[in-house]
Amino acid sequence: GDSVTQMEGPVTLSEEAFLTINCTYTATGYPSLFWYVQYPGEGLQLLLKATKADDKGSNKGFEATYRKETTSFHLEKGSVQVSDSAVYFCALTPSGTYKYIFGTGTRLKVLA
Amino acid sequence: SQTIHQWPATLVQPVGSPLSLECTVEGTSNPNLYWYRQAAGRGLQLLFYSVGIGQISSEVPQNLSASRPQDRQFILSSKKLLLSDSGFYLCAWGPGGEQFFGPGTRLTVL
Repeated sequence: GDSVTQMEGPVTLSEEAFLTINCTYTATGYPSLFWYVQYPGEGLQLLLKATKADDKGSNKGFEATYRKETTSFHLEKGSVQVSDSAVYFCALTPSGTYKYIFGTGTRLKVLA
Repeated sequence: SQTIHQWPATLVQPVGSPLSLECTVEGTSNPNLYWYRQAAGRGLQLLFYSVGIGQISSEVPQNLSASRPQDRQFILSSKKLLLSDSGFYLCAWGPGGEQFFGPGTRLTVL
């Protein structure tokens, strides 16, 4: 079945370091791909999305490119801040469905 | 603008007691609605989704149930809670693409 695999956390970085959180997926057809962020004690917020191959989603300095050949959607940011500390979820929506499939989440901790 | 509400924000219940969590959406009509559970240290698990009044799809077998009595109301229930039902419950709505999440309910079953 369809699935999303994220790198295990936690990821601990110093402020201004480069961030990569890996995400790979298994799905038939052409799913839409998403990154969500969850700050402590809150619900999830959409960070960025991509709906077709080679699309690049970007928001707040974060970027991710939909790579169909490697079935990946890795999240990157050139310079992280303490305020980026949160849990990041990769997700997909299989084409033609209303369902969402989430990865297990990756906790990011940024130290000043 | 659209908003999504969940209540209560926190809940502590004994094993074997009933449960009712409510989610309402404002500012949109006929949304797709979703219930997720996030257990400690784990990812999001889709429990139920609904594409219309009275239409409920269950993703995992369990002692929970869901109902959609009105277009913008989604209720998660249980007749008898188990310890394993503890977790953070999130309601979400979507127009068909991205999803918008509520603030969540933290349930502790003792």
